[in-house]
Amino acid sequence: QKEVEQNSGPLSVPEGAIASLNCTYSDRGSQSFFWYRQYSGKSPELIMFIYSNGDKEDGRFTAQLNKASQYVSLLIRDSQPSDSATYLCAVINSGGYQKVTFGTGTKLQVIP
Amino acid sequence: NAGVTQTPKFRILKIGQSMTLQCTQDMNHNYMYWYRQDPGMGLKLIYYSVGAGITDKGEVPNGYNVSRSTTEDFPLRLELAAPSQTSVYFCASRSSDEQFFGPGTRLTVL
Repeated sequence: QKEVEQNSGPLSVPEGAIASLNCTYSDRGSQSFFWYRQYSGKSPELIMFIYSNGDKEDGRFTAQLNKASQYVSLLIRDSQPSDSATYLCAVINSGGYQKVTFGTGTKLQVIP
Repeated sequence: NAGVTQTPKFRILKIGQSMTLQCTQDMNHNYMYWYRQDPGMGLKLIYYSVGAGITDKGEVPNGYNVSRSTTEDFPLRLELAAPSQTSVYFCASRSSDEQFFGPGTRLTVL
């Protein structure tokens, strides 16, 4: 079982719709999570950090965390063509030196 | 405040050569990470550090070495380069609630 799993996509949504991106993780002790956006040929850009169960909102982005079910999701409201990118989920692992492990990412395409 | 800087941006190595990828951060973060990203793939952790003098292996450490003598710097050493090490290398630094990436080094081994 991979430590962090994401559907590779592509996920296609029309402009203005809500895009929903999901991520599951295997380390039950993990407490903290990141969502990143990565454009082709660029480095990942931090979108959100979340560590509490429930929702966290920042502009058009909402992260949702459910530790009991071991998943974290990212909703993008009013999707724009400029949101077309790969979205990466990352988990700060429990114990030891707290390495940060990434999923393989979900490619999002927003259709004008 | 430059964030995370990496040098060089691009490099072509011949098989068997060695090189050091430089990474520096000016945010006083304790945690630093090296990842590689192959075309169309996710980020794989090579090595990481929780502070000066403390490093640990990630998923794909073979063929690489690191050191952390200061909070700011976390160089990655490639010994005896192989074609399988052709990739984009990203360095990142982290505080408790944010992790930022450098612009990356695109390495080709021929």
